[in-house]
Amino acid sequence: SYVLTQPPSVSVAPGQTARTTCGGINIGSKSVHWYQQKPGQAPVLVVYDDSDRPSGIPERFSGSNSGNTATLTISRVEAGDEADYYCQVWDSSSDHWVFGGGTKLTVL
Amino acid sequence: EVQLVESGGGLVQPGGSLRLSCAASGFTFSRYWMHWVRQAPGKGLVWVSRLNLDGSSRTYADSVKGRFTISRDNAKNTLYLQMNSLRAEDTAVYYCARGASGSNSHDYWGQGTVVTVSS
Repeated sequence: SYVLTQPPSVSVAPGQTARTTCGGINIGSKSVHWYQQKPGQAPVLVVYDDSDRPSGIPERFSGSNSGNTATLTISRVEAGDEADYYCQVWDSSSDHWVFGGGTKLTVL
Repeated sequence: EVQLVESGGGLVQPGGSLRLSCAASGFTFSRYWMHWVRQAPGKGLVWVSRLNLDGSSRTYADSVKGRFTISRDNAKNTLYLQMNSLRAEDTAVYYCARGASGSNSHDYWGQGTVVTVSS
């Protein structure tokens, strides 16, 4: 089955740019989605189809996808961005949806 | 406003059964694929199952295939997950999520219902 690999943690100072990655074999050929989950809350979609933002999500959140790596970028990081971030794809070969293991973003 | 409200969680013994429900409102339920996703305590998100518009096509994660059944009642705007032969490793928060139109992402999520499998 398809595997997505995310770093366990990323740390960034307020106002700086945070980048977290999602690795998978030829992930550039798939559509990648990113979810934010704060403690005790349900996940929230923040980027879909590699780089699109749902309404209500700040422009500070952006995504890219190429080769074997997809990246979520959060510009001008705020304390409220501290959360777990999960990448996700649909694996057409199995018709299964797959999540990465998640990355905990810490705002220093 | 789109709302998804799960119910039916609880404590169940290994080998037991439970049926989860997800009541949908604020959108035309019959026009969207629906999913179940779970999260074990302190762990990441794991996709469980998805169901198409009229309930005729289902897929399941390997870990639950043959034990769980996803279904829907479009007249009642409700999604279900029948869970049989439950194991300790099924202990998790279970979320229902809407499949986004035109994308294979999940654009709205419920708040989740807790399932604990323990003797």
